[in-house]
Amino acid sequence: GENVEQHPSTLSVQEGDSAVIKCTYSDSASNYFPWYKQELGKRPQLIIDIRSNVGEKKDQRIAVTLNKTAKHFSLHITETQPEDSAVYFCAASSFSGNTPLVFGKGTRLSVIA
Amino acid sequence: DVKVTQSSRYLVKRTGEKVFLECVQDMDHENMFWYRQDPGLGLRLIYFSYDVKMKEKGDIPEGYSVSREKKERFSLILESASTNQTSMYLCASIQRGRGTQYFGPGTRLLVL
Repeated sequence: GENVEQHPSTLSVQEGDSAVIKCTYSDSASNYFPWYKQELGKRPQLIIDIRSNVGEKKDQRIAVTLNKTAKHFSLHITETQPEDSAVYFCAASSFSGNTPLVFGKGTRLSVIA
Repeated sequence: DVKVTQSSRYLVKRTGEKVFLECVQDMDHENMFWYRQDPGLGLRLIYFSYDVKMKEKGDIPEGYSVSREKKERFSLILESASTNQTSMYLCASIQRGRGTQYFGPGTRLLVL
């Protein structure tokens, strides 16, 4: 089955700097890679996702890149702000939704003002 | 707007009690999931269901069972609660073929 590794487990950055979180996956059949943000005491919420037919997707300060050959994908947050502080999870599965998402263990991002 | 709700935000139970956690979604999603979340371990899948009356084991099903009698409702059952089942439990749902999975607010369960 699918296995998703996520690094680093914790990340501290100064406000305004960039943050990068990396994930690798094992199943070449996976074609859907979402990222979830979980603020303290709240539910995980989807912030961006990418399908395997594209290599990069951007939404304002957030971008995700995918390297299918190497089976890794990354989340990039630019111009970080204190409200970006949260736990971020990557995940992988097939887009059909017929196989469950497999999540990484999460990255706790702290943005220091 | 998708809504996934869970019956309780906080729950305290005694060892050996039977515990029911309920999840309801209002968007006619086919697929529903139960996860537990523990620090450093991420989100681990307990059980999932693709349709009414159907269930599949996830990665950590031991000590749990599920019930899906109606499409909108997915229940997680701890047959005999133990202290190592103290955790945050998250329900989620997804419409097949759409890709976006939505989570409930979570139930923090403490087993004494």
